[in-house]
This record gives sequence, structure tokens and C-alpha cells, in this order.
Amino acid sequence: DADVTQTPRNRITKTGKRIMLECSQTKGHDRMYWYRQDPGLGLRLIYYSFDVKDINKGEISDGYSVSRQAQAKFSLSLESAIPNQTALYFCATSDVGSLSYNEQFFGPGTRLTVL
Amino acid sequence: SQQGEEDPQALSIQEGENATMNCSYKTSINNLQWYRQNSGRGLVHLILIRSNEREKHSGRLRVTLDTSKKSSSLLITASRAADTASYFCATEGYNAGNMLTFGGGTRLMVKP
Repeated sequence: DADVTQTPRNRITKTGKRIMLECSQTKGHDRMYWYRQDPGLGLRLIYYSFDVKDINKGEISDGYSVSRQAQAKFSLSLESAIPNQTALYFCATSDVGSLSYNEQFFGPGTRLTVL
Repeated sequence: SQQGEEDPQALSIQEGENATMNCSYKTSINNLQWYRQNSGRGLVHLILIRSNEREKHSGRLRVTLDTSKKSSSLLITASRAADTASYFCATEGYNAGNMLTFGGGTRLMVKP
């Protein structure tokens, strides 16, 4: 079984709808991240969490919110989806404490289309 | 804003040839990492080079780092069709939390 899973894998929705993307991990890592990927722009950080009680905004947090329900679960919400949020979304985890560097482990991605 | 900028954006080579991708960055780093992404899939960590290292090898991969030029290169030797993917550099800065900043990636196509 995959260590980092994302649901759904694909989602098509309409402008104005609320959408939740979910991420679960079995790696036991404290840190979790949400990224967005657009063609030619690499990955941009939306939100990150160092533990259940810690949530931080990333580079492009406007229009998004997150919830860290447990160490293993980190959800990303789009309160009112708009077409320019159409992108590939990735969840990632890391364990900087034991490694002393930030190697990240990625989920398979969620392809979101907002019409 | 992106810390890493990769060059070229796309590269097409024949199987058996070597592929070289470059990454430039702007600020001091703790380490630089390379990741691979197969089409539409999640990124997979390939190799990490620390700021006090100049060269590192892993199988057919060779990474160099020149901190004076703020640049790194990834060399894949004897490429295979299965190496077709996008390759991203990511810099870990001396910021709180060891955050990574990803470049825009190089799309590599290896023709059989």
C-alpha cells in the first residue's frame, strides 16, 4: 500500500462549489504539506503543518484552507472554487527531526478541474 | 517566487546518451535535492547534495554543486527510455523549518 494517499484522484467541479481534497499517510511523519502544480511553474506551496496543532500559510494560500485532523491526515479545502484553481494538487510528508534534512515524500496527486 | 530555475526546460535524447540538466538558485542553501516526476504522478526523491559537498553519485546519477555560482547539475548516464520524466531541483534554505523551494523542472524524453 502507498505510504501517502490522496482522494479523490480526479475531480471536476463548477465555479463556486466547495471542494475538499484529503491526504493520509502511514509514514508516521509529523510534517505535511500541500502543493499546487501548474504547467511550467513547478510546485508552489499552499499550506504546511509541522504537527497537529501547527498550521502555516505557504506562498499561495489565498482561496484555500486546511485542517490537520490527526498526525496522519491533512485536508485541503477550496471554499468557493474558481477556474484558475484548476491544477494538479500534491500532498507531501517529511520527517526532518530524524533525518536532519527535509526529504519529502509525495502522494500521487489530485487533478482538479474547475469549470 | 521560485528559488531554483532549471535549464533546459525540455530535453530530447536517444537511448544510451547522457542527459544533463542544470539548476540555478538565488540564495544560500543548506542542501539541494533532485526529484523525478513521471507524467501526472507524484515526485520521487532521487538524490541530495549538501552545501559542503561538490559531487555525489548514485547509480547512473551524478550531481554536482557549485555554491560560488549558485548552480547544480544532474547527469544521467547511459539513459534509458524509462528515464523519460520531469526532473526538479529543490533547494532547502537556512530558513525556519527547512522549507523546500522547487524549480520549474526539466522535461526529459529518451527515445528508444
